[in-house]
Amino acid sequence: EVQLVESGGGLVKPGGSLRLSCATSGFMFRSFNMNWVRQAPGKGLERVSSISNSGSDIFYADSVKGRFTISRDNARGSLYLQMNSLRVDDTAVYYCAKGRVAAASWGQGTLVTVSS
Amino acid sequence: NFMLTQPHSVSGSPGKTVTISCTGSGGSIASNYVQWYQQRPGSAPTTVIYENNQRPSGVPDRFSGSIDRSSNSASLTISGLRTEDEADYYCQSYDINTWMFGGGTKLTVL
Repeated sequence: EVQLVESGGGLVKPGGSLRLSCATSGFMFRSFNMNWVRQAPGKGLERVSSISNSGSDIFYADSVKGRFTISRDNARGSLYLQMNSLRVDDTAVYYCAKGRVAAASWGQGTLVTVSS
Repeated sequence: NFMLTQPHSVSGSPGKTVTISCTGSGGSIASNYVQWYQQRPGSAPTTVIYENNQRPSGVPDRFSGSIDRSSNSASLTISGLRTEDEADYYCQSYDINTWMFGGGTKLTVL
């Protein structure tokens, strides 16, 4: 069974940093593209970043470019999102999702709240 | 830019059939596969349809997806409505390296 478990969310002040992690199991992690998708309170879904299976191809939404960094550790089966210079409008549930052109599997999400 | 538009809400009675539309603009809906995600209140999204009309294992055949080139839209049809189908539903497609999501449709089972 595919499992994706996010961690690292919490309350942070504007301008602060957080590092999200996604631990995976049940599939060959190194073979799949991975993504971070967020959902602001009461809003829709937005893919903020993706990384190819080898880590060579990386995408960022314009809204996070220059502030967020995605990475992966294929040996550990883990995905990461380093979030710097956080803003109030980054407040959202962040989901880890497996897949290249669609989210075949989703984690349960981790809540990031940016507030003074 | 390719965009997907969904109705804000739909409703139906238990046992009935509802259809949720997802209309493309700025490109052809048929150019790339469309997926549908179900999100129950307080839960993460799950995939109910992928590649326009394929159901993941465990998704009942009450859920079906289709593409209509003439209206440039995708549809999710849920038959034999159940109370547990009450959720938000999102369509999603992609273009080059971009994912686009519809704004979501709230399904109420009356």
